[in-house]
Amino acid sequence: DAGVIQSPRHEVTEMGQEVTLRCKPISGHNSLFWYRQTMMRGLELLIYFNNNVPIDDSGMPEDRFSAKMPNASFSTLKIQPSEPRDSAVYFCASSLTLGTGKSGYTFGSGTRLTVV
Amino acid sequence: DQQVKQNSPSLSVQEGRISILNCDYTNSMFDYFLWYKKYPAEGPTFLISISSIKDKNEDGRFTVFLNKSAKHLSLHIVPSQPGDSAVYFCAASAWGGSQGNLIFGKGTKLSVKP
Repeated sequence: DAGVIQSPRHEVTEMGQEVTLRCKPISGHNSLFWYRQTMMRGLELLIYFNNNVPIDDSGMPEDRFSAKMPNASFSTLKIQPSEPRDSAVYFCASSLTLGTGKSGYTFGSGTRLTVV
Repeated sequence: DQQVKQNSPSLSVQEGRISILNCDYTNSMFDYFLWYKKYPAEGPTFLISISSIKDKNEDGRFTVFLNKSAKHLSLHIVPSQPGDSAVYFCAASAWGGSQGNLIFGKGTKLSVKP
């Protein structure tokens, strides 16, 4: 099992540009989560999907952020336009069901975004 | 408002000794608690969990203790090894996480010195 795959691993972009982060969840997992990690706020949930449907996007900081899950094997997180304060590590995670169960979610390696 | 708090940003321990990482929470509805371990440039990986109906769960060198009355949990690592050096995140969920609400603390960086 390849685990949760995120791309790119690193992204450096100029302020105002559009950024798209990609995630491939573990095959068979029905729930997908996007988290952002910063020094100030730690790991915070941005949005999550269940069976490809967005369930709760209340963690998305602004309208500049959007996420899609067109099928069970792919999700994107888009920032348009990007700003320096969006610089963070963005993690995608997936789980078999929505509940955390005993073993929680499986995380990808993250995308380190730097907006200059 | 932080519902899950890890008040110690860092901890340094000698190899072979015990490491104790602490976590406090405020939401009495939390019913599952998990610990994740994170190495640099990697995603968090699940380490151990405990249900709110228990007060202890053990897995090899790792033991998690839960004190519901104090809303406090701790992770004990005995004996500590240099490979345990990582950031440890405490996480909690309510309703078994069925609301997709796994909430993380800010993490504690553990350094185990040879």
